[in-house]
Formats: sequence, structure tokens, C-alpha cells
Amino acid sequence: QQQVKQSPQSLIVQKGGISIINCAYENTAFDYFPWYQQFPGKGPALLIAIRPDVSEKKEGRFTISFNKSAKQFSLHIMDSQPGDSATYFCAASMRDTGRRALTFGSGTRLQVQP
Amino acid sequence: GAVVSQHPSWVICKSGTSVKIECRSLDFQATTMFWYRQFPKQSLMLMATSNEGSKATYEQGVEKDKFLINHASLTLSTLTVTSAHPEDSSFYICSAGAGNPNSPLHFGNGTRLTVT
Repeated sequence: QQQVKQSPQSLIVQKGGISIINCAYENTAFDYFPWYQQFPGKGPALLIAIRPDVSEKKEGRFTISFNKSAKQFSLHIMDSQPGDSATYFCAASMRDTGRRALTFGSGTRLQVQP
Repeated sequence: GAVVSQHPSWVICKSGTSVKIECRSLDFQATTMFWYRQFPKQSLMLMATSNEGSKATYEQGVEKDKFLINHASLTLSTLTVTSAHPEDSSFYICSAGAGNPNSPLHFGNGTRLTVT
């Protein structure tokens, strides 16, 4: 599997602040970049996803920024809430080549302090 | 939204026994299902890709004879861990996608396997 690098490993943010998680990829064949949220003992849940033909996508408090030339993408969580405390994974896949299987980043444990 | 159900949610078994984990798509037909393994505080690692009616495709380093995958219908895939050992203890998660390759993948809630 091609690697997707994620940082930081952990993040502490005050309530109302902005949480920013970054990912970088190597394989230019990746064409689909989702972010997943995982709570302890649960499976990942899709938060938001982006294709490389756009540079930004916003859904509610969650925004993905995508930089194709730098092969980087990031998740911004605005107005972070204690309920957002979870582990976040970026991922990538090559949908157009038929490889839908996701390659995951290493995860970021977010803690939002009240 | 699309729901993927995984069963059991946790299982404890003795070394040398086999354990079967089921993954069902409840409200859509899943032509493709994926099985992942996740160790504590680590990422999800793809084990295999399962296509309905055909043999699973295993990732490098995953023993196909140890992790048997069957995808007999469009709504059910099973993972059987054969002759389980303590090092097989992990969190196993399935995901499923509908026939449209652009449809998102949905994940089950995982199965916590503990081998004693």
C-alpha cells in the first residue's frame, strides 16, 4: 500500500478553537481523499471527502483544504467542541483505477477541552 | 444513510480455535467489501478486498489460509480467523461500498477479537 502521512499524532484544542490536521501523500494516482472520525470501540465514520479537482470543500464546521501540487490535504474543524474529541484519520484511494480500498493515515487523537 | 452491520462486536476464543466474523450491508447491495485490522492506537491496515462471487484479493503479508474470506451474496461477507493465536487478537473492521465506484465506503462497528 502507498503511504499517507498524517500529523500531528495528537492534538489538544480549547473549546471554540480551530483544530487542524494535516496529511501528505506520495502516489499521484490517488484521486479520492476522505476524512474519517473514530470513537473508541467503534468503526470509522465518514466526515467529509474531496476529489483533486477542487481546492476546498466545506460541510458545516468541517473543511478540507487540498493542495494538489504539494500533495497535501488538511482537515479544519471550526468551533471545536468536546464532542469532537475522537481519533481522526485521513485516507486516500484510487477510485478511477478501480482500487476503492482506502489507505489510511496513522491517525490524530483530538482532545477538545471544555 | 447506508448501514454496515458487523457481528459479533466482541469475541473471546481459545488458542487453536476458529472464529467467524460477519459483515452485512443492511440497506444496499455491496459488490465490494473490505476487511481491515486495527491494533490499539494504530491505524487501519487493509487485509483483503472481497468481491461478491469471486475469490478475495489479499494484501501482501496477509495469510489467505489463516484469514478465510467468503462473499457469497451482495449483502454478506464473512471473515474466518482459523487456528487463532494470541497475536491474532485485534480489532477487525469491515467496510462496504455499493456498485457505483464513486459511492462512499461505509464501515461496520468492528469486532474485538481476544485470543487466550
